[in-house]
Amino acid sequence: AQSVTQPDIHITVSEGASLELRCNYSYGATPYLFWYVQSPGQGLQLLLKYFSGDTLVQGIKGFEAEFKRSQSSFNLRKPSVHWSDAAEYFCAANSGTYKYIFGTGTRLKVLA
Amino acid sequence: NAGVTQTPKFQVLKTGQSMTLQCAQDMNHEYMSWYRQDPGMGLRLIHYSVGAGITDQGEVPNGYNVSRSTTEDFPLRLLSAAPSQTSVYFCATAGLAGTDTQYFGPGTRLTVL
Repeated sequence: AQSVTQPDIHITVSEGASLELRCNYSYGATPYLFWYVQSPGQGLQLLLKYFSGDTLVQGIKGFEAEFKRSQSSFNLRKPSVHWSDAAEYFCAANSGTYKYIFGTGTRLKVLA
Repeated sequence: NAGVTQTPKFQVLKTGQSMTLQCAQDMNHEYMSWYRQDPGMGLRLIHYSVGAGITDQGEVPNGYNVSRSTTEDFPLRLLSAAPSQTSVYFCATAGLAGTDTQYFGPGTRLTVL
């Protein structure tokens, strides 16, 4: 069955530290991949997406993600975290069938 | 542009009651979808539509009905609410390409007693 896994439920980092959020997928072929962010009480906002080409994808708010086919991963990174980055982050995928599958989310806490 | 709007923001129902969650968009997107978000479960697709008159089931369709009579609106109906349907519901829209960005509404928090 197709799935998206985010192994880390919670992550805490200090402001200014680097960040990496993990995402693994299980699909027959490489799906389209997305990262979304959800601030408390809000809907989701797209950070970045990957569907082909360069495996390092740049997004909004200084985020980037690297697609690694050999590891079935699409990890999200940021070199220096800001307090405003505290939110929940979701990895998602679809294989072009309109049935998006989301991971269970990683909640990021930022220490001042 | 309002983008994607959802009403109501909050709703409390008693078991067995029916209600309709409204979703409207002014982005002229063909694709519309409904998700539910539960703690530790992420977002799960309930139903989706790729155009007026076309709907299909997602991962968790039981207990929910949808219809799509216009491009702009995609209501979600609960015919007989159950406590297991307590959740936060999000509507999202996108273009028809699988790579298109989904735009999410602000959500409806539903409690079924």
